[in-house]
Amino acid sequence: KAGVTQTPRYLIKTRGQQVTLSCSPISGHRSVSWYQQTPGQGLQFLFEYFSETQRNKGNFPGRFSGRQFSNSRSEMNVSTLELGDSALYLCASSLMTDSMNTEAFFGQGTRLTVV
Amino acid sequence: QQPVQSPQAVILREGEDAVINCSSSKALYSVHWYRQKHGEAPVFLMILLKGGEQKGHEKISASFNEKKQQSSLYLTASQLSYSGTYFCGTIPPGNMLTFGGGTRLMVKP
Repeated sequence: KAGVTQTPRYLIKTRGQQVTLSCSPISGHRSVSWYQQTPGQGLQFLFEYFSETQRNKGNFPGRFSGRQFSNSRSEMNVSTLELGDSALYLCASSLMTDSMNTEAFFGQGTRLTVV
Repeated sequence: QQPVQSPQAVILREGEDAVINCSSSKALYSVHWYRQKHGEAPVFLMILLKGGEQKGHEKISASFNEKKQQSSLYLTASQLSYSGTYFCGTIPPGNMLTFGGGTRLMVKP
């Protein structure tokens, strides 16, 4: 079956602009999580959605937002981009409602560069 | 709060063993281990759900000490394919999978 698909793969934006990233989970997966990966900070949790509801949110400013649609596809939006937002944004989907005992499948990520 | 991984980096020769540690300041419900190769997505290795539970994946195994809030990943007789960055992820109360900073492992011939 198809894996987690993230689009676009690469993106270059200018400071102050906004950006929307998309994630299509594995068919049947209802939980989608987003992570920011930078060389110095590792994988930082952004938010998690399940059945169109945000269940958890990481410690990021309000410029970072997300949503999930009825088909489980998810988008994240970053407004008023800053240079420090340059990173690899990873999406992960999982099957079950209980994330404690469920494997997460990661997409290839979207590489965002802010100039 | 992120779990803390140690060491941050390790270089091995093929056939050598390594241990990667993961500790948390919070009580843990579970520990997850993932490996990410350069330019690729993180890939699941294993989940440990109970204190004292140990699991294995080929020559890679892990233990979870719930009382100490620690987990260790053991790589035995390392192979070139083991190279990559290893992340531990922990689930504290709040049910949010939080990853450590990663341990870079390089296996040389």
